[in-house]
Amino acid sequence: GDSVTQMEGPVTLSEEAFLTINCTYTATGYPSLFWYVQYPGEGLQLLLKATKADDKGSNKGFEATYRKETTSFHLEKGSVQVSDSAVYFCALSERTGTASKLTFGTGTRLQVTL
Amino acid sequence: NAGVTQTPKFRILKIGQSMTLQCTQDMNHNYMYWYRQDPGMGLKLIYYSVGAGITDKGEVPNGYNVSRSTTEDFPLRLELAAPSQTSVYFCASSYSSFEQYFGPGTRLTVT
Repeated sequence: GDSVTQMEGPVTLSEEAFLTINCTYTATGYPSLFWYVQYPGEGLQLLLKATKADDKGSNKGFEATYRKETTSFHLEKGSVQVSDSAVYFCALSERTGTASKLTFGTGTRLQVTL
Repeated sequence: NAGVTQTPKFRILKIGQSMTLQCTQDMNHNYMYWYRQDPGMGLKLIYYSVGAGITDKGEVPNGYNVSRSTTEDFPLRLELAAPSQTSVYFCASSYSSFEQYFGPGTRLTVT
């Protein structure tokens, strides 16, 4: 079945450091790929998405490129802020019948310090 | 728009008790979903619905039931609570079948 593998956390960075969170996937078809962010005490929010190979999703300074050849969707940000501290989830979605379902990675906690 | 709302925010149940977790969305989305999130794990799909009157099982449906009588509401029922159901429960909805919007979650403890 489909699966998503993320790097384990926590990832601890100083403010303005470069961020990479690795994500690889296994899927039988052609999934859409997502990054969700969960701030403390809140639900998940969609951060960015890509629906086909070589697409780049971007939002709030975060970027991720859909790499079909390496089955990867790594999240990057050039300069993190304390307010980026959260848990980040990589996910994929494949259409199954009349609906598509998200398969999530286990999440990576990011802690940004001053 | 309030988006996706869930009640209650927190609940403690005794083993064998029953309860219903409420979920409402005001975005006129056809698709709705229930997930559980266990510590250190990703979210697992419990049930989903593609429209009023239509529901289907997800990855971990045992011990739960759902109904979808209206577009807005998608309650999740626990009939006989067990400690293994201690988790954080998230409801989500989507217009297209891909991009999902999540509620703030319900933290449930079964003791």
